[in-house]
Amino acid sequence: ETAVFQTPNYHVTQVGNEVSFNCKQTLGHDTMYWYKQDSKKLLKIMFSYNNKQLIVNETVPRRFSPQSSDKAHLNLRIKSVEPEDSAVYLCASSPPGGGNTLYFGEGSRLIVV
Amino acid sequence: GEQVEQLPSILRVQERSSASINCTYENSASNYFPWYKQEPGENPKLIIDIRSNMERKQIQGLIVLLDKKAKRFSLHITDTQPADSAMYFCAAGIASSSFSKLVFGQGTSLSVVP
Repeated sequence: ETAVFQTPNYHVTQVGNEVSFNCKQTLGHDTMYWYKQDSKKLLKIMFSYNNKQLIVNETVPRRFSPQSSDKAHLNLRIKSVEPEDSAVYLCASSPPGGGNTLYFGEGSRLIVV
Repeated sequence: GEQVEQLPSILRVQERSSASINCTYENSASNYFPWYKQEPGENPKLIIDIRSNMERKQIQGLIVLLDKKAKRFSLHITDTQPADSAMYFCAAGIASSSFSKLVFGQGTSLSVVP
């Protein structure tokens, strides 16, 4: 049963354009994440938010920025996409407490042409 | 270092045999080790996890082993079925009260053939 909702699921755009991916979770979790999964299936964390505070910000390019209005929403904006941004972007959330399960959304596939 | 190495990258086994995937981690502070299964076109889903206070955990046909001294952990799938064919990811992290900071392995593509 899906509880982490991502839109759009698929997006094709040209180099230099701006793209936004939206994510909403209905699990009541406190923490949300964005992961990037590349063509080799490698999963890399990009950002995580806990109660609207950015608590992990890996060394991603500055054109990426997370945006959160409340703890149930975490969007990802890419200001000027580049070909290497083509990937699947996975949103996830986790409940409070230590060692927690990540609940992933279905993913948003970005293709930059 | 925070890398997690996962091997093999590709694994092909006969139906009803066992499949084993091994991971090593660098950060000795890691205390949480989950395994995720990702089927084609789907999102990763947790199948089993183990914490640093345990050496072994089993859920039905899934067994995970943890060797903290060697910084090594492994997943063993017994009596494999074609439905077990998928990508498998190990991860290691430090579970805090606020969030999970997980580093994922490179993934193993498992094929179970009849």
